[in-house]
Amino acid sequence: GDSVTQMEGPVTLSEEAFLTINCTYTATGYPSLFWYVQYPGEGLQLLLKATKADDKGSNKGFEATYRKETTSFHLEKGSVQVSDSAVYFCALRDQAGTALIFGKGTTLSVSS
Amino acid sequence: GAVVSQHPSRVICKSGTSVKIECRSLDFQATTMFWYRQFPKQSLMLMATSNEGSKATYEQGVEKDKFLINHASLTLSTLTVTSAHPEDSSFYICSARVSRETQYFGPGTRLLVL
Repeated sequence: GDSVTQMEGPVTLSEEAFLTINCTYTATGYPSLFWYVQYPGEGLQLLLKATKADDKGSNKGFEATYRKETTSFHLEKGSVQVSDSAVYFCALRDQAGTALIFGKGTTLSVSS
Repeated sequence: GAVVSQHPSRVICKSGTSVKIECRSLDFQATTMFWYRQFPKQSLMLMATSNEGSKATYEQGVEKDKFLINHASLTLSTLTVTSAHPEDSSFYICSARVSRETQYFGPGTRLLVL
């Protein structure tokens, strides 16, 4: 079945450091790919998405490119802030489905 | 963005009792809501899809008699964990779908069964 694998956390960075959180997926066809973020005490929020190969999703300085050849959707940010500290989830939705399949989540902690 | 609330945010109950968790879309209507379960350091696992006015669709391995879902209105879905046991302790999260591409998540409910 479809699945999402993302790097184990926690990831601990200093402010202004470069961030990469790896995400790879297994799915048939052409799934849509998502990154969600969960701040402490809040629900998951959509951070960015891409619906076809080579699309780049971006929001709040975060980017991820849909790479079908490597089945990846790595999340990057050039300069993280303390306010970016949260749990990040990679997810996919297959062509036919409406529900999301999530990775395990990666905790990011940014210190000043 | 749209807001989805869950109540209660955390609940502790005795083994054998039933617990009801509410999921409300506060400023929009949702014909479809989803219920997820999350174990520590694990991904969110879809339990069931809740459709307003019809029976919920459960994922394989989820006991429908154990986890009763009622989607009585366009803004409310409830999950009742019946005869709860310690192994049901978990974090339960709902989401409400506004379109095929967009769904909004609640903050989750932490259930601890003693």
